[in-house]
This record gives sequence, C-alpha cells and structure tokens, in this order.
Amino acid sequence: AQSVTQPDIHITVSEGASLELRCNYSYGATPYLFWYVQSPGQGLQLLLKYFSGDTLVQGIKGFEAEFKRSQSSFNLRKPSVHWSDAAEYFCAVGAWNAGNNRKLIWGLGTSLAVNP
Amino acid sequence: SQTIHQWPATLVQPVGSPLSLECTVEGTSNPNLYWYRQAAGRGLQLLFYSVGIGQISSEVPQNLSASRPQDRQFILSSKKLLLSDSGFYLCAWSPVGGNYGYTFGSGTRLTVV
Repeated sequence: AQSVTQPDIHITVSEGASLELRCNYSYGATPYLFWYVQSPGQGLQLLLKYFSGDTLVQGIKGFEAEFKRSQSSFNLRKPSVHWSDAAEYFCAVGAWNAGNNRKLIWGLGTSLAVNP
Repeated sequence: SQTIHQWPATLVQPVGSPLSLECTVEGTSNPNLYWYRQAAGRGLQLLFYSVGIGQISSEVPQNLSASRPQDRQFILSSKKLLLSDSGFYLCAWSPVGGNYGYTFGSGTRLTVV
C-alpha cells in the first residue's frame, strides 16, 4: 500500500542550528515527492518537489531535500534554522489513481518549534 | 499567474445548520480541484476531488457534498452540520494530471457548536 511516514511528530531546535526532517515513503513505482510547510491557521505552501534527475533538490526559504531510493526516503534539511521556520511540515508522495491523475498521499506532519 | 481564493476564513455554525464553502481559481483552465479537511494531529484528509465540471469523486463517506458548477469553482456543502464536521478545510488545485503538486487556499476554520 502507498504510504508516507514522518517519524518525528514534534521537533525543537535552537535558532541557527541545522535541521533535518525525516520522510519515508512506500510506493511501487518512481515516486513524485513533495514537501509542504504550513504556518498556524494558514494553507500549505510548496517548499520543493522531486520528479527525476538530481536527487538533491533545492527549494524555497533555504530548504533542500535528498531523495534516496535505496532507503525510500526524502529528508528535508536546512543548514541554519530561523525563528520564522517554526511551522508544520508535511511530506507527500504523488500516486496514480484510477482516473490517471496523481493523488497526493500525505504524511501526518512534523511540528517544528524554534528556540531563540 | 494563478491564484486560489477560499472563503470565508472562519465560520461558526450551529449543529443542524447548512454549510457552503466556496473556492475559486484564477489564471488557469480545467484545473483539478480538491477539498481537504485537517483535524488537529490527524494530518490531511482528502474529502473530494474533481477533474472537470460536474465530475466529483468522494474519498470518504460523510455528511458533506461537493459541487463544481463552473470550471474554476468548487463548493463544499452540507445540509445539516454535525459537531464532528468541525475542522480546518482546505481547497487546492493542480494542473491536469496533478504531476506538479497542489496549490492550496488559505483555509476555512469551521467550528460547529
């Protein structure tokens, strides 16, 4: 079955520290992978996506993610966290549905808190 | 550029009252449209998606319905709200095929009292 697992429900880091949010997926074909960020009370914003090619993808706000097929992972990283990065982060995999459209399968999210 | 509008931002409704949430997309044609509900600690639940006018697919049985009367308009409705309908509702769109991810509206916080 197709699924996305974000093992960390909540993470706290200090401002300026590095960050890695984990995402593992289960999908039989080549995955389309996404990371979204959600600030409190807001909609979701796309941070970055991977379809093919270079396994290290760059996104907005200084984030990057690395696709590792052997580990079925797509971890999100940032070298130096800012207080404004405190938010909920969602990983998703695009799976084909019966209507020949891709449907996103979502992880449950990781809540990031940033200490000053 | 494409934009998505969702309203209202917040809504407090009594149990048993009707519901209508509206979502419109600008700057694109024939988008795929989606309604999600987000409950605290439970991630995103896909409620409905639509690939064209009048074409609605329901993902979960529930008290809600959706309609797409125009190409870029997606409406979420209920005839009688339940307490369990409370949550954060998100509308999203994607290009045909959905390959490039979704763009989300800013959401509606619905509280049923």
